[in-house]
Amino acid sequence: TQLLEQSPQFLSIQEGENLTVYCNSSSVFSSLQWYRQEPGEGPVLLVTVVTGGEVKKLKRLTFQFGDARKDSSLHITAAQPGDTGLYLCAGARLSGYSTLTFGKGTMLLVSP
Amino acid sequence: DVKVTQSSRYLVKRTGEKVFLECVQDMDHENMFWYRQDPGLGLRLIYFSYDVKMKEKGDIPEGYSVSREKKERFSLILESASTNQTSMYLCASSLRQGGYGYTFGSGTRLTVV
Repeated sequence: TQLLEQSPQFLSIQEGENLTVYCNSSSVFSSLQWYRQEPGEGPVLLVTVVTGGEVKKLKRLTFQFGDARKDSSLHITAAQPGDTGLYLCAGARLSGYSTLTFGKGTMLLVSP
Repeated sequence: DVKVTQSSRYLVKRTGEKVFLECVQDMDHENMFWYRQDPGLGLRLIYFSYDVKMKEKGDIPEGYSVSREKKERFSLILESASTNQTSMYLCASSLRQGGYGYTFGSGTRLTVV
């Protein structure tokens, strides 16, 4: 089973700060997705990155897929309390039928 | 708004009971999944289905079974509930294989006493 390691596991910051969370693997993925999960709810898809080196922006969130398609990062600029939640990365294998491999997540708490 | 609907948000069941968790999607998705989510363990795949009447075991299928008689509905069955099955259960669907994003339901918090 392929493994996706997310770091840090937990992050507590003040409103207005910037942060980066990481998703790393020794395996190559055809695509990688980021989800955010709020307490008591299911994860919600934020973005899918497909091409090595790809950068996608979603308002204050910037997602990058590593050149070798083994890792990804999520950068949040000027974090707000509404960004609080569990951020999950998930990778799709290169070929054949497969399910997504999920990381264990980074819990982000943004305080006012 | 497209969605995945799980029949219950909270359930409390007794040890040994047979438990049914229902999931319905209205997006005509081919694939459906059942996960459980526990602190420190992340999302763990129980079963998935890529077509009607088809099912595949995930990483932790023991103690569970599934049913997919119609494309839109995927049921998870706990044959004889045990306390170690207390967890958050999440249903998801995706259009088809190939790295398509998952749409998750809101989850069912199951407590087995």
